Amino acid sequence: QQQVKQSPQSLIVQKGGISIINCAYENTAFDYFPWYQQFPGKGPALLIAIRPDVSEKKEGRFTISFNKSAKQFSLHIMDSQPGDSATYFCAASRQYNAGNNRKLIWGLGTSLAVNP
Amino acid sequence: DTAVSQTPKYLVTQMGNDKSIKCEQNLGHDTMYWYKQDSKKFLKIMFSYNNKELIINETVPNRFSPKSPDKAHLNLHINSLELGDSAVYFCASSPSGGNTGELFFGEGSRLTVL
Repeated sequence: QQQVKQSPQSLIVQKGGISIINCAYENTAFDYFPWYQQFPGKGPALLIAIRPDVSEKKEGRFTISFNKSAKQFSLHIMDSQPGDSATYFCAASRQYNAGNNRKLIWGLGTSLAVNP
Repeated sequence: DTAVSQTPKYLVTQMGNDKSIKCEQNLGHDTMYWYKQDSKKFLKIMFSYNNKELIINETVPNRFSPKSPDKAHLNLHINSLELGDSAVYFCASSPSGGNTGELFFGEGSRLTVL
């Protein structure tokens, strides 16, 4: 059961274009939605994150749009650059059992290639 | 200084062997994880430890045994290696008490079983 569905699986964009990756979730207990960026040979690294009480968050060329009623969120990369070529993962976080532990549910990833 | 470090970075071994991967974090985090990433890049959590206590144990064969000697270290021992164990294994850490679940990953250990 894939609790966080991510699409597309792969994406090719021209330099300067807009890259858009979409995710959908089912569990309304999720309260934190991060995006991770992974370059070849490296571990994933947090790129940007949003909470469900806001509809948009922007950091430089990266923007998360969040639609709570539709249970969907998306990553937009403006003015995409070849250096943005990487695998992008969306995720959703919720509290896990009692205490301060949290569980992160991952999307399957999107391989982005930005052509020069 | 590397925040989350794993050793070895590459591991090539024969089926049936036993191997270990070590992980150390210097971020002062209480929670550490092991993830497996297969050839399709899918990230699957295997274990989570909070302050040396096992919190999450996903459906992982009992050939995999994590050990946390202290909250800065989480090692992974794998017995009787199988071809399907070939993958990249990532260690990660996060601060507990935080309300996000942001993870900090190591660079991964690529295990190849022949």
